[in-house]
Amino acid sequence: EAQVTQNPRYLITVTGKKLTVTCSQNMNHEYMSWYRQDPGLGLRQIYYSMNVEVTDKGDVPEGYKVSRKEKRNFPLILESPSPNQTSLYFCASSLSQGRVETQYFGPGTRLLVL
Amino acid sequence: DQQVKQNSPSLSVQEGRISILNCDYTNSMFDYFLWYKKYPAEGPTFLISISSIKDKNEDGRFTVFLNKSAKHLSLHIVPSQPGDSAVYFCAASAETSYDKVIFGPGTSLSVIP
Repeated sequence: EAQVTQNPRYLITVTGKKLTVTCSQNMNHEYMSWYRQDPGLGLRQIYYSMNVEVTDKGDVPEGYKVSRKEKRNFPLILESPSPNQTSLYFCASSLSQGRVETQYFGPGTRLLVL
Repeated sequence: DQQVKQNSPSLSVQEGRISILNCDYTNSMFDYFLWYKKYPAEGPTFLISISSIKDKNEDGRFTVFLNKSAKHLSLHIVPSQPGDSAVYFCAASAETSYDKVIFGPGTSLSVIP
């Protein structure tokens, strides 16, 4: 089954404690992206990757890191989480390296930073 | 400043009637528009798209209309069904940056049986 998986689905942590949210896709997609969803703001892109070892900042990259060492995986790293990073996070992948027409989204990771 | 706006946070419609979800954008460089649907505890799923060379695109019960001069698009669902109850996100991308999709804040649609 074609899918994008994220782990964990729910996470409660404290300020400053490093965490990683994993994302994996089994569709051999080249393009992957991370978004955060906040009330009234919709989905905002954090980082994206056009291919292995190619990443770039989205609209809200501050406080986040990513890596793309393998095509299928695109982890999101919060080196020192802060309460304003409490949000719902989605990973997405797409076959198209150009037009991002149809992104497949993971189920989301709900993060609470105390 | 939001480049993609959905000014109605929520909408309620009777089953069988038409649902109209609206979206406005400010960036004239946007040339491709998408609608995504999101159920609780799931990620968004692609629903329908339209290119700026068209003014209408239809897929079953879903039709998207684009008015470029007004920088406005709308999603029509006819007839509405209870299973259509979800959050709908409007999104846009530009030829100069196909890899970036800008999402609106979403409209929560409730279809009442």
